[in-house]
Amino acid sequence: AQKITQTQPGMFVQEKEAVTLDCTYDTSDQSYGLFWYKQPSSGEMIFLIYQGSYDEQNATEGRYSLNFQKARKSANLVISASQLGDSAMYFCAMRDTGGFKTIFGAGTRLFVKA
Amino acid sequence: GAVVSQHPSWVICKSGTSVKIECRSLDFQATTMFWYRQFPKQSLMLMATSNEGSKATYEQGVEKDKFLINHASLTLSTLTVTSAHPEDSSFYICSARPPRTGNPRLSKNIQYFGAGTRLSVL
Repeated sequence: AQKITQTQPGMFVQEKEAVTLDCTYDTSDQSYGLFWYKQPSSGEMIFLIYQGSYDEQNATEGRYSLNFQKARKSANLVISASQLGDSAMYFCAMRDTGGFKTIFGAGTRLFVKA
Repeated sequence: GAVVSQHPSWVICKSGTSVKIECRSLDFQATTMFWYRQFPKQSLMLMATSNEGSKATYEQGVEKDKFLINHASLTLSTLTVTSAHPEDSSFYICSARPPRTGNPRLSKNIQYFGAGTRLSVL
């Protein structure tokens, strides 16, 4: 069965510094996709970044990058130059390419300090 | 702009009444949509997969008669919480993924979410 694990319930980071949010996953599929979503207090789910299991390079989207280590089954999110508006819940998610379902981790709440 | 629209964003109802939540894909046709439920400070739990023109597929433990799903068109799925009770109070959020062909602006890999509906049952 597929599983996503986020071991950090909460993280603090100083404004303008970088922060890494951890995510490990478990799947027996060879082809899958990994995602990170941001959920502010309003509740909407904002897509941040996607990494395909066959992508050779780590995905980057502006200040977001995904540190993909396939052998270790980890897909950590790195946010550079943190901003106050980055304070939110962050969810790591996975979907196998052949299926429809996307499963989510427990989430990490990020607090950015001024 | 929004890719998936969800309405209403907030609803308060009396116990025993039914509530309908709409989910629309705005820039693409979605043969499949997904309904999630999220309790405070918890993750998203998939409730069911909505299939256009056929029955929804429910996850284990989700009552089909309680949470009625209708996917009557390629751009609209509805979730009806029937005979709502206080324990049904939660955040409900829908999502959809664009097809492989279609709007080039949208990624087929990304699951786009609606803004969610906060349901409070008194």
